[in-house]
Amino acid sequence: TQTVSQSDAHVTVFEGDSVELRCNYSYGGSIYLSWYIQHHGRGLQFLLKYYSGNPVVQGVNGFEAEFSKSDSSFHLRKASVHWSDSAVYFCAVSQGTGSKLSFGKGAKLTVSP
Amino acid sequence: NAGVIQTPRHKVTGKGQEATLWCEPISGHSAVFWYRQTIVQGLEFLTYFRNQAPIDDSGMPKERFSAQMPNQSHSTLKIQSTQPQDSAVYLCASSIGQSNTEVFFGKGTRLTVV
Repeated sequence: TQTVSQSDAHVTVFEGDSVELRCNYSYGGSIYLSWYIQHHGRGLQFLLKYYSGNPVVQGVNGFEAEFSKSDSSFHLRKASVHWSDSAVYFCAVSQGTGSKLSFGKGAKLTVSP
Repeated sequence: NAGVIQTPRHKVTGKGQEATLWCEPISGHSAVFWYRQTIVQGLEFLTYFRNQAPIDDSGMPKERFSAQMPNQSHSTLKIQSTQPQDSAVYLCASSIGQSNTEVFFGKGTRLTVV
């Protein structure tokens, strides 16, 4: 069974804290990994993606993610969060060129002032 | 660039009625996707077109759901004989290129079946 797993459904941190949102997948073969953000009442917005090369990829607004083949993971990190980072974050996997995106259940990040 | 446009933003239908949802992808994007989002199920893939041709409809409930893309500027998702369990936010998205990794989503249509 091919799955995308986000283990933490809810994460609460204070402004200025660092945060890591976890994503694990079980797919074989070549895959594309990405993260999306959804602010309340809005559509999903692309954050970053990985296919090959440097396992650490940089995204918008200070986010980065690290791919690990051995752990089958693609965790999202930010060194210092802002209240505006409060949103739901989705990890996504696409299996090969031209395939659909399959999403994890999402992680709701709440940043307290 | 107005992004992916979905209309209507909200739709209420009575049980058994038909609902048609509209999507205008970003101009020049060759792929169009439909997803359904609920709190319980999360983001569920429904169907996907590339260059107006249906590529993958593996997520579509076959009996009452249908999607079309008659031209490159719009796609429709039609739900016949709507049921309360069809209540969800329906998201349309588009992407350019082959990899489908950077996908642009619309704001969604919230369908409520009463």
